[in-house]
Amino acid sequence: ETGVTQTPRHLVMGMTNKKSLKCEQHLGHNAMYWYKQSAKKPLELMFVYSLEERVENNSVPSRFSPECPNSSHLFLHLHTLQPEDSALYLCASSQDPFQETQYFGPGTRLLVL
Amino acid sequence: AQTVTQSQPEMSVQEAETVTLSCTYDTSESDYYLFWYKQPPSRQMILVIRQEAYKQQNATENRFSVNFQKAAKSFSLKISDSQLGDAAMYFCAYWGFQGAQKLVFGQGTRLTINP
Repeated sequence: ETGVTQTPRHLVMGMTNKKSLKCEQHLGHNAMYWYKQSAKKPLELMFVYSLEERVENNSVPSRFSPECPNSSHLFLHLHTLQPEDSALYLCASSQDPFQETQYFGPGTRLLVL
Repeated sequence: AQTVTQSQPEMSVQEAETVTLSCTYDTSESDYYLFWYKQPPSRQMILVIRQEAYKQQNATENRFSVNFQKAAKSFSLKISDSQLGDAAMYFCAYWGFQGAQKLVFGQGTRLTINP
């Protein structure tokens, strides 16, 4: 595998479910990001991790809980989501945090019923 | 705060023709980066081209080139010899050295290639 991978690619969940999104980067980068892409809206940065430490949280509701066990893996734990949370969730990485050039994964399409 | 505007929600072009996608941005910084990303139906966000603001020369990558007008805060993408595989959403993005140091994206332009 090369680049940035994400699993699952599609996820349907009820509002009471708990699920997790996984991201893995194979680029040797030190920073990883979660973005949310909603229909007809620009990409929104959710979280930034640098060497497993969270360095930014853009006022994201607590029903989204990120986890970065090491510099290659990033998770987004989901619980009690709302239908408006349905979106494409994109993971990205860069060599260093807040670096201008980021490489994106294919995203997870999430539908909350 | 910086903003990025893509005024063309949709564009179409005949295969083998040339198309230009528009992007304008607002910033008070003098040094920054600008990007064009491509998102095909597979949803993978792919970096197409990158421009550093302090470089006057327009960036090029094969069939992709930009027209960077710093004073006008304009950053258009030209795709030459359009191919069916170029069909995608194209996002313009800004990154500045000051402030939040994060990518700011436009709303995207959907490009259709007509065979």
